[in-house]
Amino acid sequence: QITLKESGPTVVKPTQTLTLTCTFSGFSLSSSRMGVAWVRQPPGKALEWLSLLYSNDDKRYNPSLGSRLTITKDTSRNQVVLTMANMDPADTATYYCAHMGAAVDFAMDVWGQGTTVTVSS
Amino acid sequence: DIQLTQSPSSLSANVGDRVSITCRASQSIDSYLNWYQQKPGKAPNLVIYAASSLQSGVPSRFSGSGSGTEFTLTISSLQPEDFATYYCQQGYTISFGQGTKVEVK
Repeated sequence: QITLKESGPTVVKPTQTLTLTCTFSGFSLSSSRMGVAWVRQPPGKALEWLSLLYSNDDKRYNPSLGSRLTITKDTSRNQVVLTMANMDPADTATYYCAHMGAAVDFAMDVWGQGTTVTVSS
Repeated sequence: DIQLTQSPSSLSANVGDRVSITCRASQSIDSYLNWYQQKPGKAPNLVIYAASSLQSGVPSRFSGSGSGTEFTLTISSLQPEDFATYYCQQGYTISFGQGTKVEVK
Protein backbone atom coordinates (compact mmCIF):
# COMPACT_ATOMS: atom_id res chain seq x y z
CA GLN A 1 0.00 0.00 0.00
CA ILE A 2 1.38 3.36 -1.05
CA THR A 3 1.11 6.26 1.39
CA LEU A 4 2.55 9.77 1.36
CA LYS A 5 2.63 12.47 4.02
CA GLU A 6 3.67 16.10 3.72
CA SER A 7 5.41 17.97 6.52
CA GLY A 8 6.78 21.45 7.01
CA PRO A 9 6.06 24.77 8.67
CA THR A 10 2.49 26.00 8.91
CA VAL A 11 3.52 29.67 8.82
CA VAL A 12 6.36 31.37 6.99
CA LYS A 13 7.21 35.05 6.66
CA PRO A 14 7.35 36.88 3.33
CA THR A 15 10.73 36.55 1.56
CA GLN A 16 11.59 33.40 3.55
CA THR A 17 12.29 30.03 1.93
CA LEU A 18 9.75 27.24 2.44
CA THR A 19 10.98 23.68 2.83
CA LEU A 20 8.43 20.87 2.52
CA THR A 21 9.13 17.17 2.95
CA CYS A 22 7.13 14.32 1.44
CA THR A 23 7.73 11.07 3.32
CA PHE A 24 6.39 8.02 1.56
CA SER A 25 6.09 4.26 1.92
CA GLY A 26 5.05 1.39 -0.31
CA PHE A 27 7.40 2.24 -3.15
CA SER A 28 10.99 3.25 -3.74
CA LEU A 29 12.34 5.98 -5.96
CA SER A 30 15.28 3.72 -6.68
CA SER A 31 12.82 1.62 -8.66
CA SER A 32 12.27 2.58 -12.25
CA ARG A 33 9.21 4.28 -13.69
CA MET A 34 8.03 6.07 -10.57
CA GLY A 35 7.77 9.69 -9.66
CA VAL A 36 6.61 12.15 -7.00
CA ALA A 37 4.84 15.39 -7.81
CA TRP A 38 4.07 18.49 -5.75
CA VAL A 39 0.76 20.30 -6.27
CA ARG A 40 -0.71 23.24 -4.37
CA GLN A 41 -4.16 24.74 -3.95
CA PRO A 42 -4.76 28.27 -2.64
CA PRO A 43 -7.95 28.60 -0.56
CA GLY A 44 -11.01 28.34 -2.83
CA LYS A 45 -8.91 28.07 -5.97
CA ALA A 46 -7.80 25.44 -8.47
CA LEU A 47 -4.99 22.93 -8.27
CA GLU A 48 -1.60 24.12 -9.50
CA TRP A 49 1.23 21.75 -10.37
CA LEU A 50 4.60 22.85 -8.92
CA SER A 51 7.27 20.24 -9.61
CA LEU A 52 7.98 16.56 -10.11
CA LEU A 53 10.87 14.18 -9.79
CA TYR A 54 11.18 10.84 -11.53
CA SER A 55 13.09 7.82 -10.26
CA ASN A 56 15.75 8.42 -12.93
CA ASP A 57 16.35 11.84 -11.25
CA ASP A 58 14.68 13.74 -14.10
CA LYS A 59 13.25 16.93 -12.55
CA ARG A 60 10.54 19.24 -13.92
CA TYR A 61 9.32 22.60 -12.70
CA ASN A 62 6.32 24.82 -13.38
CA PRO A 63 7.75 27.51 -15.68
CA SER A 64 5.63 30.23 -14.05
CA LEU A 65 7.47 29.74 -10.77
CA GLY A 66 10.84 29.99 -12.44
CA SER A 67 13.91 29.46 -10.31
CA ARG A 68 12.04 29.67 -6.99
CA LEU A 69 11.64 25.89 -6.82
CA THR A 70 14.11 23.11 -6.11
CA ILE A 71 13.18 19.44 -5.78
CA THR A 72 15.45 16.75 -4.39
CA LYS A 73 15.18 13.18 -3.16
CA ASP A 74 16.66 11.18 -0.31
CA THR A 75 16.21 7.61 -1.46
CA SER A 76 17.48 6.09 1.78
CA ARG A 77 14.87 7.98 3.80
CA ASN A 78 12.07 7.62 1.23
CA GLN A 79 11.66 11.39 1.07
CA VAL A 80 11.25 14.07 -1.57
CA VAL A 81 11.96 17.64 -0.53
CA LEU A 82 10.62 20.78 -2.22
CA THR A 83 12.02 24.21 -1.46
CA MET A 84 10.34 27.41 -2.59
CA ALA A 85 12.26 30.65 -2.26
CA ASN A 86 11.06 34.19 -1.69
CA MET A 87 7.65 33.30 -0.29
CA ASP A 88 4.78 35.74 -0.78
CA PRO A 89 1.29 35.91 0.76
CA ALA A 90 -0.01 34.70 -2.63
CA ASP A 91 1.78 31.40 -1.91
CA THR A 92 -0.62 30.68 0.95
CA ALA A 93 -2.08 27.28 0.04
CA THR A 94 -2.46 23.62 0.86
CA TYR A 95 0.52 21.76 -0.54
CA TYR A 96 0.18 18.13 -1.64
CA CYS A 97 2.64 15.50 -2.77
CA ALA A 98 1.49 12.63 -4.96
CA HIS A 99 2.82 9.35 -6.36
CA MET A 100 3.07 8.92 -10.12
CA GLY A 101 3.46 5.46 -11.55
CA ALA A 102 3.86 3.92 -14.95
CA ALA A 103 0.90 1.62 -14.27
CA VAL A 104 -1.40 4.65 -14.57
CA ASP A 105 0.56 6.38 -17.31
CA PHE A 106 2.21 8.62 -14.71
CA ALA A 107 -1.06 10.10 -13.46
CA MET A 108 -1.10 11.11 -9.78
CA ASP A 109 -2.73 8.01 -8.34
CA VAL A 110 -2.03 8.35 -4.62
CA TRP A 111 -1.97 11.66 -2.76
CA GLY A 112 -0.89 12.80 0.66
CA GLN A 113 -3.37 14.51 2.96
CA GLY A 114 -1.84 17.91 2.27
CA THR A 115 -0.22 20.48 4.53
CA THR A 116 -1.43 24.05 4.89
CA VAL A 117 1.09 26.87 4.63
CA THR A 118 0.25 30.47 5.47
CA VAL A 119 2.57 33.28 4.41
CA SER A 120 2.24 36.17 6.81
CA SER A 121 4.44 38.61 8.64
CA ASP B 1 2.72 26.20 -22.03
CA ILE B 2 -0.25 23.95 -22.69
CA GLN B 3 -3.46 25.47 -21.34
CA LEU B 4 -6.48 23.39 -20.34
CA THR B 5 -9.96 24.92 -20.42
CA GLN B 6 -12.80 23.11 -18.71
CA SER B 7 -16.47 23.73 -19.43
CA PRO B 8 -18.71 24.40 -17.77
CA SER B 9 -17.09 25.95 -14.68
CA SER B 10 -20.04 24.69 -12.66
CA LEU B 11 -23.21 22.74 -13.22
CA SER B 12 -26.31 21.82 -11.25
CA ALA B 13 -27.76 18.34 -11.62
CA ASN B 14 -30.06 15.85 -9.97
CA VAL B 15 -29.23 12.38 -8.71
CA GLY B 16 -29.62 10.04 -11.66
CA ASP B 17 -28.72 12.63 -14.30
CA ARG B 18 -26.15 12.03 -16.99
CA VAL B 19 -23.40 14.63 -16.65
CA SER B 20 -20.60 15.53 -19.04
CA ILE B 21 -17.61 17.81 -18.51
CA THR B 22 -15.34 18.95 -21.34
CA CYS B 23 -11.64 19.72 -21.21
CA ARG B 24 -9.94 21.41 -24.17
CA ALA B 25 -6.18 21.62 -24.59
CA SER B 26 -4.45 24.50 -26.36
CA GLN B 27 -2.44 21.99 -28.41
CA SER B 28 -2.52 18.25 -28.99
CA ILE B 29 -1.71 16.12 -25.96
CA ASP B 30 -2.51 12.75 -27.60
CA SER B 31 -4.20 10.80 -24.80
CA TYR B 32 -2.15 12.22 -21.92
CA LEU B 33 -5.19 13.46 -20.04
CA ASN B 34 -6.28 12.55 -16.53
CA TRP B 35 -9.37 13.40 -14.48
CA TYR B 36 -9.55 13.90 -10.71
CA GLN B 37 -12.42 14.29 -8.26
CA GLN B 38 -11.98 16.51 -5.22
CA LYS B 39 -14.32 16.91 -2.28
CA PRO B 40 -14.08 19.86 0.14
CA GLY B 41 -11.15 19.60 2.52
CA LYS B 42 -9.84 16.45 0.87
CA ALA B 43 -7.00 15.59 -1.49
CA PRO B 44 -7.89 14.92 -5.12
CA ASN B 45 -8.69 11.37 -6.18
CA LEU B 46 -7.74 9.93 -9.59
CA VAL B 47 -10.80 8.90 -11.59
CA ILE B 48 -9.65 8.45 -15.20
CA TYR B 49 -6.11 8.22 -16.61
CA ALA B 50 -4.84 8.18 -20.17
CA ALA B 51 -8.09 9.80 -21.33
CA SER B 52 -10.28 6.72 -21.02
CA SER B 53 -8.85 4.23 -18.51
CA LEU B 54 -10.87 3.83 -15.34
CA GLN B 55 -8.76 3.93 -12.19
CA SER B 56 -9.03 0.86 -9.99
CA GLY B 57 -11.87 1.11 -7.48
CA VAL B 58 -13.72 3.88 -9.34
CA PRO B 59 -17.35 3.07 -10.21
CA SER B 60 -18.07 2.17 -13.81
CA ARG B 61 -20.57 5.04 -14.13
CA PHE B 62 -17.49 7.21 -14.74
CA SER B 63 -16.04 7.20 -18.24
CA GLY B 64 -13.61 9.28 -20.23
CA SER B 65 -13.18 9.86 -23.93
CA GLY B 66 -11.25 11.98 -26.40
CA SER B 67 -7.79 12.50 -27.79
CA GLY B 68 -5.76 15.32 -29.23
CA THR B 69 -7.29 18.52 -27.89
CA GLU B 70 -10.81 17.65 -26.75
CA PHE B 71 -11.73 15.35 -23.89
CA THR B 72 -14.89 14.49 -21.99
CA LEU B 73 -15.62 13.05 -18.56
CA THR B 74 -19.08 11.51 -18.31
CA ILE B 75 -20.97 10.32 -15.25
CA SER B 76 -23.76 8.12 -16.57
CA SER B 77 -26.05 8.33 -13.53
CA LEU B 78 -25.05 10.88 -10.92
CA GLN B 79 -24.96 9.58 -7.36
CA PRO B 80 -25.00 11.62 -4.12
CA GLU B 81 -21.31 10.92 -3.52
CA ASP B 82 -20.39 12.33 -6.94
CA PHE B 83 -21.13 15.95 -6.03
CA ALA B 84 -17.61 17.39 -6.05
CA THR B 85 -15.18 19.43 -8.13
CA TYR B 86 -13.55 17.71 -11.10
CA TYR B 87 -10.19 18.68 -12.61
CA CYS B 88 -8.53 17.60 -15.82
CA GLN B 89 -4.73 17.40 -15.96
CA GLN B 90 -2.46 16.97 -18.96
CA GLY B 91 0.56 14.73 -18.73
CA TYR B 92 2.66 16.36 -21.47
CA THR B 93 3.99 19.36 -19.58
CA ILE B 94 1.81 18.87 -16.50
CA SER B 95 -0.92 21.39 -15.82
CA PHE B 96 -4.47 21.35 -14.48
CA GLY B 97 -7.71 22.78 -15.75
CA GLN B 98 -9.55 25.35 -13.64
CA GLY B 99 -12.07 22.83 -12.32
CA THR B 100 -15.78 22.09 -12.72
CA LYS B 101 -17.99 22.10 -9.65
CA VAL B 102 -20.90 19.65 -9.80
CA GLU B 103 -23.65 20.80 -7.44
CA VAL B 104 -27.07 19.61 -6.39
CA LYS B 105 -29.89 21.12 -8.44
